Amino acid sequence: GAGVSQSPSNKVTEKGKDVELRCDPISGHTALYWYRQRLGQGLEFLIYFQGNSAPDKSGLPSDRFSAERTGESVSTLTIQRTQQEDSAVYLCASRLSRGGLGNEQFFGPGTRLTVL
Amino acid sequence: DQQVKQNSPSLSVQEGRISILNCDYTNSMFDYFLWYKKYPAEGPTFLISISSIKDKNEDGRFTVFLNKSAKHLSLHIVPSQPGDSAVYFCAAGGTSYGKLTFGQGTILTVHP
Repeated sequence: GAGVSQSPSNKVTEKGKDVELRCDPISGHTALYWYRQRLGQGLEFLIYFQGNSAPDKSGLPSDRFSAERTGESVSTLTIQRTQQEDSAVYLCASRLSRGGLGNEQFFGPGTRLTVL
Repeated sequence: DQQVKQNSPSLSVQEGRISILNCDYTNSMFDYFLWYKKYPAEGPTFLISISSIKDKNEDGRFTVFLNKSAKHLSLHIVPSQPGDSAVYFCAAGGTSYGKLTFGQGTILTVHP
């Protein structure tokens, strides 16, 4: 079956512009996560959706970052007024249910964002 | 405050030998742990996991060991194959949590 897909795969933008990143999770997966990976670093949690609500958005670095999810499916991560430090690979993952061992997260290929 | 640490940025191993990747954590609230493998330009792929109530889990060539008292886990790959060359991340989570906390990753290179 289809895995997690993300678009675009690459995005180059100028400082100060807004960008929107999209994630299509695996069908039927109720939990969705956004992470980012800066160069040479590990994955950094951003936000978690259970269904259409976001019970944990503790990882969003500033109010320039926001995310939404509709129809328990597609999610978009929006970064307003991008800064150079926002340059990273943004990864989306989905999971079958809320928690528990065995419900590992399945990752998409990521969107590489470069802010000039 | 890094709650999950992989102190070895890289590891080089000969084909056929054992690869041992290590991970330390500080948060005693974590109660399950996972290893992911990542190739360039791809998302991480789940490898193996372990619950905190166990000390070992095995899946084919991959075995994960957990030492709760030391807050340490390790991934053993035996025998190592050139196709295992990738970045390996350990991750930790709690059943009441949504998120995973990841280590920085270890680049494994298996030489033919």
